[in-house]
Amino acid sequence: EAGVAQSPRYKIIEKRQSVAFWCNPISGHATLYWYQQILGQGPKLLIQFQNNGVVDDSQLPKDRFSAERLKGVDSTLKIQPAKLEDSAVYLCASSQGQVNTEAFFGQGTRLTVV
Amino acid sequence: KQEVTQIPAALSVPEGENLVLNCSFTDSAIYNLQWFRQDPGKGLTSLLLIQSSQREQTSGRLNASLDKSSGRSTLYIAASQPGDSATYLCAVKDSGGYQKVTFGTGTKLQVIP
Repeated sequence: EAGVAQSPRYKIIEKRQSVAFWCNPISGHATLYWYQQILGQGPKLLIQFQNNGVVDDSQLPKDRFSAERLKGVDSTLKIQPAKLEDSAVYLCASSQGQVNTEAFFGQGTRLTVV
Repeated sequence: KQEVTQIPAALSVPEGENLVLNCSFTDSAIYNLQWFRQDPGKGLTSLLLIQSSQREQTSGRLNASLDKSSGRSTLYIAASQPGDSATYLCAVKDSGGYQKVTFGTGTKLQVIP
């Protein structure tokens, strides 16, 4: 079974530039999550999708971050414009359902904003 | 608001030792608790998932327990090996609201040969 795929693995951009990350979840997984992990901290949930609908985006900085999951499969997370404090690893995860199902994570995208 | 704490933040043990990692959470209204392993520069690997109705789960040398009423979980690693060196994270999924998943900050484990 293929795992959660993310790209790119690394990205370096200047502040005020825009950037986009891509995630392809495990086939058949209805729930998709985007997390932000700042160095030395645990992952923080940014947004959760159930199929192509948003379940929770309460911690997503909506003035600069956006995410979509068209057709309920793969997803993109965009930051525009980026700030220095956005430097982090962005993790995508998927699970079969919302409740009591195991979450599987991709390898993440390490973003450095300079 | 759910808060998840992991103690200690770092742990160094000699190879072969049994060890316990701790995770505590403030709101006992949870669906499940999941333990993950994270290697440097890598994503998270799921180790064990404990449903709220369960007391423990075992996989190989790993045993995780859950005491929902006291807001605690432990991850027991038997006969530790250098390959166990990694950061261990616990995450709880709330049963109310958005069923939000909250992670702890992790315990960085080093097993010395």
